[in-house]
Amino acid sequence: SYVLTQPPSVSVAPGKTARIPCGGDNIGSKSVHWYQQRPGQAPVLVIHSDSDRPSGIPERFSGSNSGNTATLTISVVEGGDEADYYCQVWHGSSDVVVFGGGTKLTVL
Amino acid sequence: QVQLQESGPGLVRPSQTLSLTCSVSGASISSGVFYWSWVRLPAGKGLEWIGRIYNSGSPTYNPSLKSRVTMSLDTSHNQFSLKLSSVTASDTAVYYCVSGDYYGRGDVWGQGTTVTVSS
Repeated sequence: SYVLTQPPSVSVAPGKTARIPCGGDNIGSKSVHWYQQRPGQAPVLVIHSDSDRPSGIPERFSGSNSGNTATLTISVVEGGDEADYYCQVWHGSSDVVVFGGGTKLTVL
Repeated sequence: QVQLQESGPGLVRPSQTLSLTCSVSGASISSGVFYWSWVRLPAGKGLEWIGRIYNSGSPTYNPSLKSRVTMSLDTSHNQFSLKLSSVTASDTAVYYCVSGDYYGRGDVWGQGTTVTVSS
């Protein structure tokens, strides 16, 4: 089965840049999506197809994907960005969708 | 704009079958445009993909749940459903229905419904 690995937590000071990695075997060949989930709320798609932002998502959110690591980058971090973030891919050879374990972003 | 709403019992007894329905508005589930999925969030854990179904095609399931899961479409009511059999406490979670695309992108999520497995 295909596994996506995320660090359990990332901490960043307000106004700084947060980078959340997502590791997977040759993940650079797949299309990666990222979700933000605040406590008690449904997940929200913040990046799709490696680096595209859905309508309404601030430009502070960006994504990249190469080799064995995809990265979600949040620049000029705000308190409202504090949430859990999940990466996700579709593993075509077995036609299954896989989520990473999630990363809790703490704004110091 | 697609909107999704989950419904079903909030409490299920161990060994019984969990049944949830997702009502869809703003799109036809038989249009062939969207993939319809279920995802759950156990307390203190991460998101887990349960499975998805497309138009009238065969659904695909998470291998870890495949033996207990059944998903189906109800075109007359524009709904899709989830059945999870032989539930245990580990199936206690918030369950979400999701609309998305071929590559697993989840564009629209329901608000989620909490299901507790307990006697």
